[in-house]
Amino acid sequence: DAGVIQSPRHEVTEMGQEVTLRCKPISGHNSLFWYRQTMMRGLELLIYFNNNVPIDDSGMPEDRFSAKMPNASFSTLKIQPSEPRDSAVYFCASSSDRGGSYEQYFGPGTRLTVT
Amino acid sequence: AQKVTQAQTEISVVEKEDVTLDCVYETRDTTYYLFWYKQPPSGELVFLIRRNSFDEQNEISGRYSWNFQKSTSSFNFTITASQVVDSAVYFCALGSGNTGKLIFGQGTTLQVKP
Repeated sequence: DAGVIQSPRHEVTEMGQEVTLRCKPISGHNSLFWYRQTMMRGLELLIYFNNNVPIDDSGMPEDRFSAKMPNASFSTLKIQPSEPRDSAVYFCASSSDRGGSYEQYFGPGTRLTVT
Repeated sequence: AQKVTQAQTEISVVEKEDVTLDCVYETRDTTYYLFWYKQPPSGELVFLIRRNSFDEQNEISGRYSWNFQKSTSSFNFTITASQVVDSAVYFCALGSGNTGKLIFGQGTTLQVKP
């Protein structure tokens, strides 16, 4: 079975540019999560969706960040305009809450560098 | 508020030693879930185990074992006869029974030296 798929795996961009990160969750999973990992702040939850609906976006840093989930098999995280402090590894994870199973399965991450 | 504390920032052991990673959690939920994840140097986060709050049975999987004690709000992870491949950052996480959201600890970096 395919795991969570993220693209691109690496992204280098200049400050002010728009960045779009993509995620395909595991088929059949109904929850999707976006995380950011940095040395300083550890693993932070940015936003999560349940059945394609955003449930909690309290972790989204500011208006420059936006996330969408147009269907059950695709989500995007967009940063516009990007800033050097956005440099981090961004993980997407998915889970199924059917039957009380909540473990999240993570994608390989996108390493974002903003210069 | 929910919180996960991994007090050990870094641990270094020599191969074949046993090592225990501590995890203490705080929650007011009566139903909750506890998890451990491994993040090897390659960077991916790998799910290791999930326990329910109503199941305090300890679990063993090969060289890995987990000790869940509600009385002390702890969910500790022991690696027996550690190997170099166990070198990684290990995260403990807490999930609410109401949502799928997880709260992660800060992680413990384990270095196993040959």
